[in-house]
Amino acid sequence: KQEVTQIPAALSVPEGENLVLNCSFTDSAIYNLQWFRQDPGKGLTSLLLIQSSQREQTSGRLNASLDKSSGRSTLYIAASQPGDSATYLCAVRGNTPLVFGKGTRLSVIA
Amino acid sequence: GAGVSQTPSNKVTEKGKYVELRCDPISGHTALYWYRQSLGQGPEFLIYFQGTGAADDSGLPNDRFFAVRPEGSVSTLKIQRTERGDSAVYLCASSSNKGADTQYFGPGTRLTVL
Repeated sequence: KQEVTQIPAALSVPEGENLVLNCSFTDSAIYNLQWFRQDPGKGLTSLLLIQSSQREQTSGRLNASLDKSSGRSTLYIAASQPGDSATYLCAVRGNTPLVFGKGTRLSVIA
Repeated sequence: GAGVSQTPSNKVTEKGKYVELRCDPISGHTALYWYRQSLGQGPEFLIYFQGTGAADDSGLPNDRFFAVRPEGSVSTLKIQRTERGDSAVYLCASSSNKGADTQYFGPGTRLTVL
């Protein structure tokens, strides 16, 4: 059974810092990996999707990498802003449509 | 264009009652997914539709839960004899194709069973 772990569970950084969020998964037989953002009381917003054949994807200040063989992904956020404060969820698509981690709660302090 | 919409946004019911939660996917999306999210947890998969048929219902916790998508667009998640443990946010997502494509999520329905 696929399990997804996200470290750290919570992170607080001053504005302007670069930061890395980590995601690991136990079964490397995946189709893709997706990073989401969730604001309190809201649904999920898709940030980046990496297909199993890809190594990384970039969107603006966000860069996500995928190392399928070792079961790891990272989300890099450059020059963090207070508006980046949210919970970031990693999810993998294998035989089950999306298995999620518990998320990393990010606070960016102005 | 319009995103995924879910109604109601909040539902409070009493233990033992029946509830229906509705999801309107993005127009033209053939795949539709239901997830359930408890406080402090990531969403958990419930059921997946490809068109009108349930392609994977392995995440439904028991036979009190049922979902339909009769015309391949709108879906309804039905919960019979609700229990306090059913309290959670129920999220719906849609995508244009199975597997390869980004899933787009609705805002969710917060269900509270008293």
